[in-house]
Amino acid sequence: QLVLTQSPSASASLGASVRLTCTLSNGHSSYAIAWHQQQPEKGPRYLMKVTSDGSYTKGDEIPDRFSAFSSGAERYLFISSVQSDDEADYYCQTWGSGTWVFGGGTKLTVL
Amino acid sequence: QVQLVQSGAGVKKPGASVKVSCKASGYTFTDYYIHWVRQAPGQGLEWMGWINPNSGGTNFAQKFQGRVTMTRDTSMRTVYMDLRSLRSNDTALYYCARGPYLAYWGQGILVTVPS
Repeated sequence: QLVLTQSPSASASLGASVRLTCTLSNGHSSYAIAWHQQQPEKGPRYLMKVTSDGSYTKGDEIPDRFSAFSSGAERYLFISSVQSDDEADYYCQTWGSGTWVFGGGTKLTVL
Repeated sequence: QVQLVQSGAGVKKPGASVKVSCKASGYTFTDYYIHWVRQAPGQGLEWMGWINPNSGGTNFAQKFQGRVTMTRDTSMRTVYMDLRSLRSNDTALYYCARGPYLAYWGQGILVTVPS
């Protein structure tokens, strides 16, 4: 079964860097994923898609501070120079056999 | 630019149905599937299903099979999501998004089903 696993929470100090992780279930390590950001009281916003080789394609007007990479079944979202408006929920998403799946989301707190 | 503009919904009684629409612009309507995603208060994102605007073909999450219908009107560049037999735990924001990476989202529509 295709499942995406995310840690429920993460934190980063203002100006620091943070890495968020999304783990694909067994047998699905070759899958590409997408990352989405949801700021408080707003709808989701597409950040980027990430392939198994770590290449990524960002959405419109996504700052250079956001990047991604992959290692095995892990897909990472990297945010450098964290700003206050990066405080948000981050969801990974993928699909297989016609079904789309979301991870449970990681709530990023900016200290 | 690509836009998905949603309309419909509001407060519905238990057992009723709701229809939410999603009007697309800024791209070739039939080139991309449209997905429906919902978010209950304080919860994460939940995928409901997709519609192929070209063929009208659909696929739904098992949880919603038998209770949801997705249709499209290519002349209006609009897709519709119908959810039947509403219950209080269907209270949520309902979003449409363009597949496959959900790179564009509608603004969301709140459906409230009082208990």
